[in-house]
Amino acid sequence: DAGVIQSPRHEVTEMGQEVTLRCKPISGHNSLFWYRQTMMRGLELLIYFNNNVPIDDSGMPEDRFSAKMPNASFSTLKIQPSEPRDSAVYFCASSLYTGELFFGEGSRLTVL
Amino acid sequence: AQKITQTQPGMFVQEKEAVTLDCTYDTSDPSYGLFWYKQPSSGEMIFLIYQGSYDQQNATEGRYSLNFQKARKSANLVISASQLGDSAMYFCAMRAPMDSNYQLIWGAGTKLIIKP
Repeated sequence: DAGVIQSPRHEVTEMGQEVTLRCKPISGHNSLFWYRQTMMRGLELLIYFNNNVPIDDSGMPEDRFSAKMPNASFSTLKIQPSEPRDSAVYFCASSLYTGELFFGEGSRLTVL
Repeated sequence: AQKITQTQPGMFVQEKEAVTLDCTYDTSDPSYGLFWYKQPSSGEMIFLIYQGSYDQQNATEGRYSLNFQKARKSANLVISASQLGDSAMYFCAMRAPMDSNYQLIWGAGTKLIIKP
């Protein structure tokens, strides 16, 4: 069975550029989570969706960040404009109801 | 408010010894789940084991077991016969529907290093 698929695995961009991270959750899962992980701040929940509807986006840092889930099999996290402090590993995870989260391999973002 | 506490930032353990990683939690929700994840240096987050608040037995998965003490609000991970490949960060997490609207609340993690 395919796990959570994230792309790109690595992204290097310059400050001010738009970044789009993509996620395909596990088929049949109804919850999707976007996390950011840095050494300084650890694992932070940015936003989570339940049945494609955003439930809690209080973790989204600011208006530069946006996330969408147009259907049950696809989600995007967009940063526009990107800044060096956005450099981190971004994880997407999915789950079925209250079960365990299955994580993608992460997208490592470097903003120069 | 819901909270997960992992008091051991780092641990060194000799290979083949058993390891106990501490986790305490706080929630007012009577129904909750507790999770342990492993994050090796390669970066992926790997689910290890789950314990439900109403489960009577401690969860076990191969060499992993969860020492669940509900009255003490602790959910320690026990790794038997540690191996070099167990070196990683370990995160404890909790999901309490009423408290946290189904989000996972994460501990800060414990970095485990297995010595040969």
